[in-house]
Amino acid sequence: NAGVTQTPKFRILKIGQSMTLQCTQDMNHNYMYWYRQDPGMGLKLIYYSVGAGITDKGEVPNGYNVSRSTTEDFPLRLELAAPSQTSVYFCASSYGTSLSTDTQYFGPGTRLTVL
Amino acid sequence: GNSVTQMEGPVTLSEEAFLTINCTYTATGYPSLFWYVQYPGEGLQLLLKATKADDKGSNKGFEATYRKETTSFHLEKGSVQVSDSAVYFCALRDNNDMRFGAGTRLTVKP
Repeated sequence: NAGVTQTPKFRILKIGQSMTLQCTQDMNHNYMYWYRQDPGMGLKLIYYSVGAGITDKGEVPNGYNVSRSTTEDFPLRLELAAPSQTSVYFCASSYGTSLSTDTQYFGPGTRLTVL
Repeated sequence: GNSVTQMEGPVTLSEEAFLTINCTYTATGYPSLFWYVQYPGEGLQLLLKATKADDKGSNKGFEATYRKETTSFHLEKGSVQVSDSAVYFCALRDNNDMRFGAGTRLTVKP
């Protein structure tokens, strides 16, 4: 059971480039999330999805886009990379009908540097 | 809005010492509270949680009590081990809003 997997592990982008961070879960979870973790800071929610075809903005969505065409996959797209997007990105998933009580399972993270 | 304030680190303890990491929160609703742990190079893992006032979450010798009157969820462990060295995050969830504290790095020396 792989859990939540993310690719790539590391990436360096130039300003203005675009890229997609991949996230896949094999636990049949309905809910999926993208977070960013800046140095010395807690995680901030970028986008989340409560099921295939449904996405919504979190605390810091600007500069990012997501899609959820399948239950398993939740890719995060950066269209015009900026230095402020240098961060570690974590994908997570959860199962449960109660959003207030479910447990999130995290992937290992993608370390992104924008120069 | 919702927010979590966490004791700043780093914290360095000797093995078998008592651990407290403070966490307070601000919430507009009735949040669930969590402690997550992050080991080097890994994603976060749920350590424990509490979903309503006066609930106590516990796991692996760690515990935390949801105190509504003081809006706190302090993490404690009676005797830490070297293997407990990690970064600990306090978090809250209020419906679709998930907030994390900045994290506290714990180092336990033999």
